[in-house]
Amino acid sequence: NAGVMQNPRHLVRRRGQEARLRCSPMKGHSHVYWYRQLPEEGLKFMVYLQKENIIDESGMPKERFSAEFPKEGPSILRIQQVVRGDSAAYFCASSPDSGGWETQYFGPGTRLLVL
Amino acid sequence: DQQVKQNSPSLSVQEGRISILNCDYTNSMFDYFLWYKKYPAEGPTFLISISSIKDKNEDGRFTVFLNKSAKHLSLHIVPSQPGDSAVYFCAAPHMEYGNKLVFGAGTILRVKS
Repeated sequence: NAGVMQNPRHLVRRRGQEARLRCSPMKGHSHVYWYRQLPEEGLKFMVYLQKENIIDESGMPKERFSAEFPKEGPSILRIQQVVRGDSAAYFCASSPDSGGWETQYFGPGTRLLVL
Repeated sequence: DQQVKQNSPSLSVQEGRISILNCDYTNSMFDYFLWYKKYPAEGPTFLISISSIKDKNEDGRFTVFLNKSAKHLSLHIVPSQPGDSAVYFCAAPHMEYGNKLVFGAGTILRVKS
């Protein structure tokens, strides 16, 4: 399967715990985007990364959220001290580096439930 | 600031008929538009796109029309099939900001057999 991979698909956390969401982009893709979908809403941009660099994190909450895309391994979205309002579906998308616009392809998402 | 709007939360269509999903945008800098289809518990799947230099793009049963002066685009599905039942999102890349996608709220399409 050459698609975008995300794990876990479902994650349950209690308030105050940490959540780590992983995303492996499609083969040959070096751009990763994270989006969040709250219930009954569309997807909202969170952060855009290239290998070892955060390019745009304008959609990330200022506290408790961080993201990385290391040289080796998947991209990680980390949420510290989760609260109930963090319950949402988190989607990762990837695109190749062509110097111009490229379609973003999405993974299946991680559904986070905070109890 | 909702730059991409899908004002119809849902649409119900009979199998074999045409489905028309609408999308409006406010940012005149948008140069490219995409439609994604999403089934429950899955990620969005890219469906079709259109560049602002065109007013129509067709791919099989799917056609997207763009009216730049009205800042409006629509997705036509004909003939509609029960498997088309899904949520459809209109999106535009914000080229000035690393191509992040700005999404509409989505329209739930139900195709009745």
